[in-house]
Amino acid sequence: SQQGEEDPQALSIQEGENATMNCSYKTSINNLQWYRQNSGRGLVHLILIRSNEREKHSGRLRVTLDTSKKSSSLLITASRAADTASYFCATHDNNAGNMLTFGGGTRLMVKP
Amino acid sequence: DTAVSQTPKYLVTQMGNDKSIKCEQNLGHDTMYWYKQDSKKFLKIMFSYNNKELIINETVPNRFSPKSPDKAHLNLHINSLELGDSAVYFCASSHGGLSTLHFGNGTRLTVT
Repeated sequence: SQQGEEDPQALSIQEGENATMNCSYKTSINNLQWYRQNSGRGLVHLILIRSNEREKHSGRLRVTLDTSKKSSSLLITASRAADTASYFCATHDNNAGNMLTFGGGTRLMVKP
Repeated sequence: DTAVSQTPKYLVTQMGNDKSIKCEQNLGHDTMYWYKQDSKKFLKIMFSYNNKELIINETVPNRFSPKSPDKAHLNLHINSLELGDSAVYFCASSHGGLSTLHFGNGTRLTVT
């Protein structure tokens, strides 16, 4: 089964609104990462949060991690049409060596 | 300038054929990966490889094999192609095993 599972699978918002995507996972992790994928392109790394961290910020992005609930969230504030993409969480499982395991992604559409 | 490059971008072939996808990275990374992304955008790790260790996802059929002529290259060979092999294949690299991944732009494989 998937290690990371994103919720919702699809999200449609208006420009200027905030977008929140959630990720749940099943095992003990070393770190959790969020990636973005534009249509027809490869994934691009956004933020890495380690298991001993609870929150990280990068520009308009805010990531939280709750290891007790095995969940993470990605918040994009003041969204723009250019934020339209698929967003994936991925985990480095403590028992899976250096394999990074991805969830199914959230497809975000930001309407101008 | 491209950090992780894959060729070809598109590959259309018939069932039963053998094909290869090439990947090169110019980032000086020591670990490279192959991922398969299906039509529902779910990403599955296939292989993780550095100059010391090959880690194979046990669910990957042995028709798939990675070949690394040097640290900057990790090619993917697929024998006896099947319809279910149709997907987008992504190469990625990282510095060390627990860091972030840099992805290529993918190879869309269509098996007819």
